[in-house]
Amino acid sequence: EVVMTQSPATLSVSPGERATLSCRASQSVGTNLAWYQQKPGQAPRLLIYDTSARATGVPARFSGSGSGTDFTLTISSLQSEDFAVYYCHQYTNWPPFTFGPGTKVDVK
Amino acid sequence: QFHLVQSGAEVKKPGASVKVSCKISGYTLTQLSIHWVRQAPGKGLEWMGGFDPEDDETIYAQKFRGRVTMTEDTSTDTAYMELSSLRSEDTAVYYCATIEGSSGWYYFDYWGQGTLVTISS
Repeated sequence: EVVMTQSPATLSVSPGERATLSCRASQSVGTNLAWYQQKPGQAPRLLIYDTSARATGVPARFSGSGSGTDFTLTISSLQSEDFAVYYCHQYTNWPPFTFGPGTKVDVK
Repeated sequence: QFHLVQSGAEVKKPGASVKVSCKISGYTLTQLSIHWVRQAPGKGLEWMGGFDPEDDETIYAQKFRGRVTMTEDTSTDTAYMELSSLRSEDTAVYYCATIEGSSGWYYFDYWGQGTLVTISS
């Protein structure tokens, strides 16, 4: 099973600032890595797939990068609606699909 | 407009079973592959299983094998997830989700709103 880790667990950022979230896989997953955003009481929402492709309707301030075992989600200028929990997900080696434990982005 | 609409919250006793539904609108179920992901209170996401279109079979996470059954009713475009022998650790929000991708590499693109299942004696 591919174990996903994310850092930091919590990221405190001021609106307008840049946020950089990290995700690491226990073995190479190539570029089969997705990011999801989840707000309280809501289902996860797909943001990024194939490491760097933005899902439909996702603003350009969200970008993804990386390959192999190390990945990054960058939010270039945080808006109020971006405060949420972000999960990474690998889909190279399954079953099982595995997710990281999440990074909570909150207001500094 | 494409939607996944799940059934309402459930409260079950330990040892019982629960069956959660996920109705598709805007597409037909035969055009989609449905997976199930759960989230315990305050915890992360855990994949339970779903249909693999590459191999044309339903795959279950090892943790749930023997306790979970995922089915579909194409006449009503509804997917179901039944979990048996419930225990307190099964208290969670259960989500259905569609997969997208190719060559056996899939991510979850659309999600239902979630169904809270509470296990309590």
